[in-house]
Amino acid sequence: KAGVTQTPRYLIKTRGQQVTLSCSPISGHRSVSWYQQTPGQGLQFLFEYFSETQRNKGNFPGRFSGRQFSNSRSEMNVSTLELGDSALYLCASSVQGDGNTIYFGEGSWLTVV
Amino acid sequence: GENVEQHPSTLSVQEGDSAVIKCTYSDSASNYFPWYKQELGKRPQLIIDIRSNVGEKKDQRIAVTLNKTAKHFSLHITETQPEDSAVYFCAASEGNGGTSYGKLTFGQGTILTVHP
Repeated sequence: KAGVTQTPRYLIKTRGQQVTLSCSPISGHRSVSWYQQTPGQGLQFLFEYFSETQRNKGNFPGRFSGRQFSNSRSEMNVSTLELGDSALYLCASSVQGDGNTIYFGEGSWLTVV
Repeated sequence: GENVEQHPSTLSVQEGDSAVIKCTYSDSASNYFPWYKQELGKRPQLIIDIRSNVGEKKDQRIAVTLNKTAKHFSLHITETQPEDSAVYFCAASEGNGGTSYGKLTFGQGTILTVHP
């Protein structure tokens, strides 16, 4: 069974631009969550989607948004990029998201210059 | 909201020694506690988890203990090997029946170095 797949793996953007990251969960998993990982703040929860609905959201500004499609694939978008948005963005999936084991993808490394 | 504190931030041991990493959490509603291992440039990988109805769980050289009264849980690695060197993260979640869907609150991580 394929794991959680994220694209692109690496990208460089300029301040003010926007970026879209994509995630394909493990087959059969309907819950997709997103995390930001930085050296200073560690792993922080962004949001979670289940059946195309956002069920939970972390403490991030509205520039961070996401969505989930009917096939459970998910995208997250960051608008008006700031230097501080440079981070590893990790997607994770689980069967239902409420206490099931959460599996992470390899992440998308975003550098904002 | 939930807050997870993890100690120590760095841990250096000799091959064959044991390593212990400790975490405390604040939300008494939390009842699912996974541990992840992250090697440099790689994804966090689940190594073991425990739920609040269990006090201890073992998987070969790895064990986790949970004290719900004191709100702390620990990771124990015995007979450490150089390939155990990585960053280890503890996390907490409300788990089944809770409303923290998909949300894990992570500790700050422990850099474990095992010297040959």
